[in-house]
Amino acid sequence: AQSVAQPEDQVNVAEGNPLTVKCTYSVSGNPYLFWYVQYPNRGLQFLLKYITGDNLVKGSYGFEAEFNKSQTSFHLKKPSALVSDSALYFCAVKALGNTPLVFGKGTRLSVIA
Amino acid sequence: GAVVSQHPSRVICKSGTSVKIECRSLDFQATTMFWYRQFPKQSLMLMATSNEGSKATYEQGVEKDKFLINHASLTLSTLTVTSAHPEDSSFYICSANRQGAYEQYFGPGTRLTVT
Repeated sequence: AQSVAQPEDQVNVAEGNPLTVKCTYSVSGNPYLFWYVQYPNRGLQFLLKYITGDNLVKGSYGFEAEFNKSQTSFHLKKPSALVSDSALYFCAVKALGNTPLVFGKGTRLSVIA
Repeated sequence: GAVVSQHPSRVICKSGTSVKIECRSLDFQATTMFWYRQFPKQSLMLMATSNEGSKATYEQGVEKDKFLINHASLTLSTLTVTSAHPEDSSFYICSANRQGAYEQYFGPGTRLTVT
């Protein structure tokens, strides 16, 4: 069975500072990993994914994530946070094919001006 | 890009009535769509996998007779909440796989309130 853990319910960061949102995963086989962002009363927006290749994945809005196989982690990062980055962030994993995503519980990011 | 729409975005209904939510893939065909439910400040819980032309696959604990799913075409899946009760009030989100893409594309969600 696949699972994803997001150990932090809330992350607070000052505007302009780097941010990290943590995610660890558990899968059998190769992981397909994703980050999504959700703004209030909205659906999910895709940020980035890791399928294969370079461990550092760059995505939308200046976000990036690093796949670390030995630590089974896929942390989301951004060098300089914006107030507009404040939202709910979900890490997810899926298997190959038309299979559903399995989500972490989500981490609420607050960027303070 | 790949756009998924949902209608309605918000609905209020009385207890005992049925509500239909539509999920459409606007610029691609989706043989598989997924329906999720999200409670306030919680993660998304998969309810069912909707397959075009065949019966939906429901997750354990989801009542298939209460949450009717129909995937009649490659661009449309519907979720009907039958005999709705206040505990069915939630945020319902659909997603779709586009052929050749690993990521899923999500609709904007439907806020259902049952009074």
